[in-house]
Amino acid sequence: GAVVSQHPSRVICKSGTSVKIECRSLDFQATTMFWYRQFPKKSLMLMATSNEGSKATYEQGVEKDKFLINHASLTLSTLTVTSAHPEDSSFYICSVQRTGGFDGYTFGSGTRLTVV
Amino acid sequence: AQTVTQSQPEMSVQEAETVTLSCTYDTSESNYYLFWYKQPPSRQMILVIRQEAYKQQNATENRFSVNFQKAAKSFSLKISDSQLGDTAMYFCALEYGNKLVFGAGTILRVKS
Repeated sequence: GAVVSQHPSRVICKSGTSVKIECRSLDFQATTMFWYRQFPKKSLMLMATSNEGSKATYEQGVEKDKFLINHASLTLSTLTVTSAHPEDSSFYICSVQRTGGFDGYTFGSGTRLTVV
Repeated sequence: AQTVTQSQPEMSVQEAETVTLSCTYDTSESNYYLFWYKQPPSRQMILVIRQEAYKQQNATENRFSVNFQKAAKSFSLKISDSQLGDTAMYFCALEYGNKLVFGAGTILRVKS
């Protein structure tokens, strides 16, 4: 099956700084990647859809300027949390969709962000 | 709007017994995919089973099977011979328009 690498697995940053999270598709080219946010014992909330070579599509209520997404190649999408604040602390997960939705979606291992 | 509802926040089952997790959904699409994902304490999302809406036959993967009732928009997951490693949060998900919509999840605890 598809392999998705997400890095870092956990990061602690100071309030006001920016943090970049990487999501790599290791064994196939992914034109579309997704970014989710998950609070403890809660469901995954889709933040944005990352499209290779074009602007990301953000879900309603997600601040585009705070959560910058770049999908510059077919194997890499990045999520940058800008000017992070404690309320941005959360678990962020990326996923990759193979061509043909029936194959489902493969998820990265997630990044636990703590803003202090 | 596409919605997924899991009405059981938490469930427990004894090892080796069978448990069923409930899921209902709403969609206006005629063809779609349904999934069950497992998220163990490591928080890695793992695909358990998937179902194409146009297929009437219920999907089965080893100890995991589904009861797909399209007219009722119901998609329950049955886990047979429960094992300690099945302890996890289980999410039902609906795919539409190349997006996944997740239910709230059910925490399953398998007891020895």
